Amino acid sequence: AQKVTQAQTEISVVEKEDVTLDCVYETRDTTYYLFWYKQPPSGELVFLIRRNSFDEQNEISGRYSWNFQKSTSSFNFTITASQVVDSAVYFCALSIRNTGGFKTIFGAGTRLFVKA
Amino acid sequence: DGGITQSPKYLFRKEGQNVTLSCEQNLNHDAMYWYRQDPGQGLRLIYYSQIVNDFQKGDIAEGYSVSREKKESFPLTVTSAQKNPTAFYLCASSIVLAGGRNEQFFGPGTRLTVL
Repeated sequence: AQKVTQAQTEISVVEKEDVTLDCVYETRDTTYYLFWYKQPPSGELVFLIRRNSFDEQNEISGRYSWNFQKSTSSFNFTITASQVVDSAVYFCALSIRNTGGFKTIFGAGTRLFVKA
Repeated sequence: DGGITQSPKYLFRKEGQNVTLSCEQNLNHDAMYWYRQDPGQGLRLIYYSQIVNDFQKGDIAEGYSVSREKKESFPLTVTSAQKNPTAFYLCASSIVLAGGRNEQFFGPGTRLTVL
């Protein structure tokens, strides 16, 4: 089965707390890509990061960091010193080979509330 | 400004009516996609197109139809055959890269409500 699981439906934190959003994926493919997207209240998803299956280096971008571990099929996302503007729904996604090209499978999303 | 526009933002439909959702992009992307988003669920792929005059069914294509006559336009028609059409519909586009590493750019969505 090819799927993406985001077990945390909603998370609520107070501003300046660190928060980690979990993502676990399943695929038999050896070549694939993982993504994180942010969906603010306006509705449109915004791309945050892409990682390919052969690159397990962690990445940091400002207050955001991502931890990719193939051994546990996880691609977790941490926000350090959270801010109210981080409040959104965050989606993890998996891109795999499909008939006629590639297909992107999205997790159910994690809704993050950051309170002032 | 380059981007994706979807119209209308809110749409109300009576049962039994077909309705068409607009999606236009000026990013010069070859690929375009339609997703449906329901509360508590991720995005589910309805249709996608990688080139003009060609499109493929996604996971939940029943009750929907699309056309791709122009590179920049990918309208979605929700037909009366769709049993539960009330949802948030998102259009996206991307360049086509080998290996599936292309991120998608999304429009602001259309919220469809069937009365």
